[in-house]
Amino acid sequence: GDSVTQMEGPVTLSEEAFLTINCTYTATGYPSLFWYVQYPGEGLQLLLKATKADDKGSNKGFEATYRKETTSFHLEKGSVQVSDSAVYFCALSGGNTGKLIFGQGTTLQVKP
Amino acid sequence: EAQVTQNPRYLITVTGKKLTVTCSQNMNHEYMSWYRQDPGLGLRQIYYSMNVEVTDKGDVPEGYKVSRKEKRNFPLILESPSPNQTSLYFCASSSSGGPLGTQYFGPGTRLTVL
Repeated sequence: GDSVTQMEGPVTLSEEAFLTINCTYTATGYPSLFWYVQYPGEGLQLLLKATKADDKGSNKGFEATYRKETTSFHLEKGSVQVSDSAVYFCALSGGNTGKLIFGQGTTLQVKP
Repeated sequence: EAQVTQNPRYLITVTGKKLTVTCSQNMNHEYMSWYRQDPGLGLRQIYYSMNVEVTDKGDVPEGYKVSRKEKRNFPLILESPSPNQTSLYFCASSSSGGPLGTQYFGPGTRLTVL
């Protein structure tokens, strides 16, 4: 069945460092791909999405490109801030049930 | 403000005592869903509803029930909770159940079953 694999965390970076969180997927058909962010004590918020191959999603300085050939959707940010500290989830949605299939989440901690 | 609300936010209960977690959205969304979040497993779908009176099982439906009598509400019912249902629960809604729909999540309900 469909699945999403994220890099293990936690990831600890200094402020202004470059961030990459790897995400790969297995799916039949052509899923949509998402990154959600969960700040401490809060629900999930959509960070960005891409609906077809080679699409680039971007928001708040974060970017991810839908790479069909490598089945990947890696999250990147050029300069992280302390306020980016959160748990990041990669997810895919395919088919007609609306179900999101999530990776296990990656905790990011940014130190001043 | 467009939002998904859940109540209660925190609940500690005992095995076998029936409980209901409410979920309500004010965006007139047709699609609603419940997920549970467990460490190392991400979020897994419990049940979903495409519209009023239309519900279906997700990946982990055992031990749960849902109903969708009104468009805005989608309660999650645990008839006889067990300790393995201790988890963080999220309700979500979307304007479309298709692959392009963006799902909006509630703040979560942390349930502990003793």
